[in-house]
Amino acid sequence: SQTIHQWPATLVQPVGSPLSLECTVEGTSNPNLYWYRQAAGRGLQLLFYSVGIGQISSEVPQNLSASRPQDRQFILSSKKLLLSDSGFYLCAWSVGATDTQYFGPGTRLTVL
Amino acid sequence: GENVEQHPSTLSVQEGDSAVIKCTYSDSASNYFPWYKQELGKGPQLIIDIRSNVGEKKDQRIAVTLNKTAKHFSLHITETQPEDSAVYFCAASDGSARQLTFGSGTQLTVLP
Repeated sequence: SQTIHQWPATLVQPVGSPLSLECTVEGTSNPNLYWYRQAAGRGLQLLFYSVGIGQISSEVPQNLSASRPQDRQFILSSKKLLLSDSGFYLCAWSVGATDTQYFGPGTRLTVL
Repeated sequence: GENVEQHPSTLSVQEGDSAVIKCTYSDSASNYFPWYKQELGKGPQLIIDIRSNVGEKKDQRIAVTLNKTAKHFSLHITETQPEDSAVYFCAASDGSARQLTFGSGTQLTVLP
């Protein structure tokens, strides 16, 4: 069966520091991968998605970037965090042309 | 692009009563409609989904109905239990971009 992992689970970082969040999927090949951000009490905002290694699409201009160095690994990064980067970051995957997305457990990021 | 509106934003019901959450979408090409349940501090979990070739789907106490003419779909939870308390998100997709457009969420509280 397929599983998705995210780490770290929680992170507290000072403003201006770098960021690296990791997402890995097991049990499937060539998944579509997604990064979402969820502000407190708000909906899901799609940040990036990838249909293959090295293929990244950005949905909103921001202080963040994404990379996909391996088939089942998706990384969210920032060179300098802003207060507004605080939130709950979710990774999700889907397969092929199907629309069903499955979410990871999330990373709670607090920027102070 | 697709726009999904979800109502109500909050819903409180007595244990054992039914709960209904409604969503409308704008893109007539949308053909896939999942529902997610998100418990506090966790990632959203897919609970049921429906495709445009059917009008209703049931899974135990949960059902989803779809009216393509009116472009709306609804989640029905019967015999609610305290563990049903969570935020519920609807979503829609036309399948072409492998992306989901999410509603803004409904906080469901089941009172014992």
